[in-house]
Formats: sequence, structure tokens, C-alpha cells
Amino acid sequence: AQSVTQLGSHVSVSEGALVLLRCNYSSSVPPYLFWYVQYPNQGLQLLLKYTTGATLVKGINGFEAEFKKSETSFHLTKPSAHMSDAAEYFCAVSDPRGSARQLTFGSGTQLTVLP
Amino acid sequence: DAGVIQSPRHEVTEMGQEVTLRCKPISGHNSLFWYRQTMMRGLELLIYFNNNVPIDDSGMPEDRFSAKMPNASFSTLKIQPSEPRDSAVYFCASTRTGSLSGANVLTFGAGSRLTVL
Repeated sequence: AQSVTQLGSHVSVSEGALVLLRCNYSSSVPPYLFWYVQYPNQGLQLLLKYTTGATLVKGINGFEAEFKKSETSFHLTKPSAHMSDAAEYFCAVSDPRGSARQLTFGSGTQLTVLP
Repeated sequence: DAGVIQSPRHEVTEMGQEVTLRCKPISGHNSLFWYRQTMMRGLELLIYFNNNVPIDDSGMPEDRFSAKMPNASFSTLKIQPSEPRDSAVYFCASTRTGSLSGANVLTFGAGSRLTVL
């Protein structure tokens, strides 16, 4: 069984400040890991994913995440927040062996960017 | 590609009425998922299909909920009879399994916001 824990249901940062959204996972096998973003009244969009290889993954809109196996973490960062980054962010994990590879989502972190 | 298309975008109905939500997945995708999103419970997987066959419906809340996928380009989620606690945003998502490069990347529709009075 897999699970995802997102620390902090709400995070506020000032425009231009560092964004750090935390995600820890539990999985019995090397997982696939994802970050999705949801803007108001929209569906979820893929930000970035980790499957194998390089542990630092770059995504869209300047976001990146680092897979740390020893810490079972996959935190999302962005050096400088922009007002347009305000959204809800979901971390997700999947088992590559799964026949249909369904995702397990975290509970989400609402990011607010202050002017 | 137009993406995953869901209809209706908004539905307001009265308790006891039948509700049908529709989804057209991305052409070529062979797996389809229905999720429900609420403030209290977050994102919940209701059911998923692979090659039009329901694989796991353990997330379907109760017998009032049913889902079908008659062909590769269409799926429905039906609630009969509807109750106020069914009020939520229902998302459909699709993906192409069997491709490592695709690796579980779900493409979500914009959602159907259901309000049951």
C-alpha cells in the first residue's frame, strides 16, 4: 500500500520569496512520484514527475522537486514566487507494478502568494 | 487535442433526482478514472476502467452510484437517487497505460460541479 502526506494544508509566501511545499511518501517499492497543480475551477495539471534516473526533476513554471529516498520525500520548490502560482498543489505516488497504475493523492496544499 | 471533456460543468438538482455526468477521454488513452473532490475528503478515486472494462470500483460510495464505459470514447457516472451529501466536484481523467514515457500521467477534465439541494 502507498500513501502520501503533505505537510501544511495552507502555505503563504510573499511574491519573490522561496516556495517550499512538502511531501513525504510511503511505498514498499521504488515509487513513481508526481506533483499536480489545480487552479480555481479547473482540473489538475501535471507540474512534474519522477520515474527513474536523475533525482532532481524540473517541471513547468520554474518548479522543481527532488526525490530523496533516504528521507522518503519529494518536496516541491520554486526560487521566486509569482502571483500566478497561487493554486492548490497535490503530491501523488504510484506503484510502477500496478496493472492500471492508479495514483494515490495527498490532501493538497493551498499556496497563497502575498503582494 | 481537446483534452478530456466533461459535461455538464455545473449541475444543480434536487434530492432524489437522477444525475448523469459524462466524460470523453483523450483519443488513444486506454484507462479512464472517475474522482470526487470535496473539502472534507479531498480527492477520492471512485472507479477506473482499463480498455473499457471496470477494474476497481471499490471507491464507489454505495449502490446509488454506477459507472459505465460503453466504448473507448465515452463514459458516464450516474447517481440515482442523488442526496445532498453527493455535492462535490467530479473529475474524469484518462491516461495511456503500457507506456513507460507516459508513466501514469493523468490528464484531467475541468470537472463537473454537482450541487444537490
